[in-house]
Amino acid sequence: GAGVSQSPSNKVTEKGKDVELRCDPISGHTALYWYRQRLGQGLEFLIYFQGNSAPDKSGLPSDRFSAERTGESVSTLTIQRTQQEDSAVYLCASSMLESEQFFGPGTRLTVL
Amino acid sequence: DQQVKQNSPSLSVQEGRISILNCDYTNSMFDYFLWYKKYPAEGPTFLISISSIKDKNEDGRFTVFLNKSAKHLSLHIVPSQPGDSAVYFCAPKGSFYNQGGKLIFGQGTELSVKP
Repeated sequence: GAGVSQSPSNKVTEKGKDVELRCDPISGHTALYWYRQRLGQGLEFLIYFQGNSAPDKSGLPSDRFSAERTGESVSTLTIQRTQQEDSAVYLCASSMLESEQFFGPGTRLTVL
Repeated sequence: DQQVKQNSPSLSVQEGRISILNCDYTNSMFDYFLWYKKYPAEGPTFLISISSIKDKNEDGRFTVFLNKSAKHLSLHIVPSQPGDSAVYFCAPKGSFYNQGGKLIFGQGTELSVKP
C-alpha cells in the first residue's frame, strides 16, 4: 500500500506483559516518528528516527519503552512490563526531510 | 509545561457558517505550524500549514492565520460542512536542525458541524 501501516490494530494485554508494536513507513521516507494519544488527551511525541542518526528518544516516558528501526524501513516499539497507564493509541508517522508527516491508523493498546 | 494550547475542547457550528479554531503556543523557535484533522479510529491527516515568515495561508475553504507577536494561530473553515466534523490538532514544529522536526500537538478541538 501507499500509506503508513501499523500492526496490530488492537492489542489487549495483561499488566506486566511485554508488547511489541510495528510500523511500516511509506517507502523512501527517511524520518519516522512514534506518538501516543491517551484518552482525552492530545498526541504525545515519543521517539524519532532520521536516517542513520541516533534517534531522538526525548519523549519516551520511562525505560520500559524502547524502539528500533531497521535502516529506513520497519520500526518496532516495545513496551516492557506494561502498566495500565500505558493504555493509549500508539501512532506512527513518516516523512521525507522537512515535509509533512503522514500518519498510520494507530494501534489501540489496552492494558488490563 | 504545555507548549501548545487549544483552549476549546469542542466547538459546534451550523452548516454554512464559519468555524474558527484557535491555538496558542509558547516556543518562539517553531518554524512551521501545521493543522491536522482526525476522524475516529484513523490517524491524523495533514490539512494545512503556515511558515513562521507568513501571516496567512489559504487553501480552498481553509485559511490559517498566524500572529507571531501574540504567539497565536487560528484555522478558519468557511463555509463549514458536516464532513468537516472531526478533531482538529494544532501542531507546531521546529526545523530538523534544531528540534528534529517533531510535532508538538495541542490537545485538539472537536468540531461538530450541524446540518
